[in-house]
Amino acid sequence: QKEVEQNSGPLSVPEGAIASLNCTYSDRGSQSFFWYRQYSGKSPELIMSIYSNGDKEDGRFTAQLNKASQYVSLLIRDSQPSDSATYLCAVNRRTGNQFYFGTGTSLTVIP
Amino acid sequence: EAGVAQSPRYKIIEKRQSVAFWCNPISGHATLYWYQQILGQGPKLLIQFQNNGVVDDSQLPKDRFSAERLKGVDSTLKIQPAKLEDSAVYLCASSLTGNSYNSPLHFGNGTRLTVT
Repeated sequence: QKEVEQNSGPLSVPEGAIASLNCTYSDRGSQSFFWYRQYSGKSPELIMSIYSNGDKEDGRFTAQLNKASQYVSLLIRDSQPSDSATYLCAVNRRTGNQFYFGTGTSLTVIP
Repeated sequence: EAGVAQSPRYKIIEKRQSVAFWCNPISGHATLYWYQQILGQGPKLLIQFQNNGVVDDSQLPKDRFSAERLKGVDSTLKIQPAKLEDSAVYLCASSLTGNSYNSPLHFGNGTRLTVT
């Protein structure tokens, strides 16, 4: 079983729609959860972090965490073509401060 | 705040040659990571340093890869000899402190290695 799994995509949504990205993780001891955006040919950049169950909103982005279900999601409201990128879910384990990444979900926002 | 610095940005070598990558983390970041990212995949951890000590190198192919972080600041990752399957982007990242599980990773621009 992989440490972190993401829906493989690719995901296409029309401009202005909500994009929903999902991630599950295997280690129940994981404490911190992050979403990174990676444009083609660029390095990952942090867009959201979440540490507690529930929702966390930042502008058009909402991260949702459910530790009981070992599930993290990212919602992008009013999607823009500039949101087209690969989104990586990262999970930080309790011991060793190690970060594990999913394979990423490719999102395309169609104008 | 200056970001994570990496060099070179691109490198093309022939198989069986050697190559080295350099990374300077964000000032004050105790933990430094090297990741390998193959096209279409997520980053895979190669080695993690806390100051100048190794925390995790379980996925580092030690027969050909080596890394060091002298003085607990900048780091070098070396491949010798390179294989075709080493073609990837090598990402260096740092985080604020190894004891804070809430500190996110900050990535450098990466080095794109092509082995021919």
